[in-house]
Amino acid sequence: DAGVTQSPTHLIKTRGQQVTLRCSPKSGHDTVSWYQQALGQGPQFIFQYYEEEERQRGNFPDRFSGHQFPNYSSELNVNALLLGDSALYLCASTRGGSPLHFGNGTRLTVT
Amino acid sequence: AQKVTQAQTEISVVEKEDVTLDCVYETRDTTYYLFWYKQPPSGELVFLIRRNSFDEQNEISGRYSWNFQKSTSSFNFTITASQVVDSAVYFCALSPWGAQKLVFGQGTRLTINP
Repeated sequence: DAGVTQSPTHLIKTRGQQVTLRCSPKSGHDTVSWYQQALGQGPQFIFQYYEEEERQRGNFPDRFSGHQFPNYSSELNVNALLLGDSALYLCASTRGGSPLHFGNGTRLTVT
Repeated sequence: AQKVTQAQTEISVVEKEDVTLDCVYETRDTTYYLFWYKQPPSGELVFLIRRNSFDEQNEISGRYSWNFQKSTSSFNFTITASQVVDSAVYFCALSPWGAQKLVFGQGTRLTINP
């Protein structure tokens, strides 16, 4: 039973570029959330997708957008990258009221 | 606004010692969930426990135990007879009832030395 899988594992981008991160939820899960974890900090909630719609959003600018596909997988897009966007991006999935299951994350470095 | 504070940034103990990780939270909600997650070097957050706000019973799972005290807004985590494999960063988190939107603390880096 595959858990939450994220790709790529690592990514290096230049300031001003755009990036897309991908997530496949755990089998049987239909809700996907994204979190940003800066070095030495706790994760911060970006947004959550359910039934292909953004249901909840944290305090992140519109440069952060997402999408959920009919197979429940999800993408996180970040436009106009800033140095401060360098972080570990974690995807989590759930179904109903079950606890979140997290992936290993994508380490994004913006230079 | 919700807030979680983990005052201990780093803890280092010798194997087999007991260790307690502190967590204090703030919320205006009357119903909410509290969580503990473990983050090993691989980066994945591993779920350890979820408690709801109206269940203050302490819980024990093997070497792990949790003490929830609503009166002091605390949800502390104790590892008994620690092992090297317990070394990781541990996060306490809070979410509103019915919303899977977790607010995490800063984390406590726990190092168990052989």
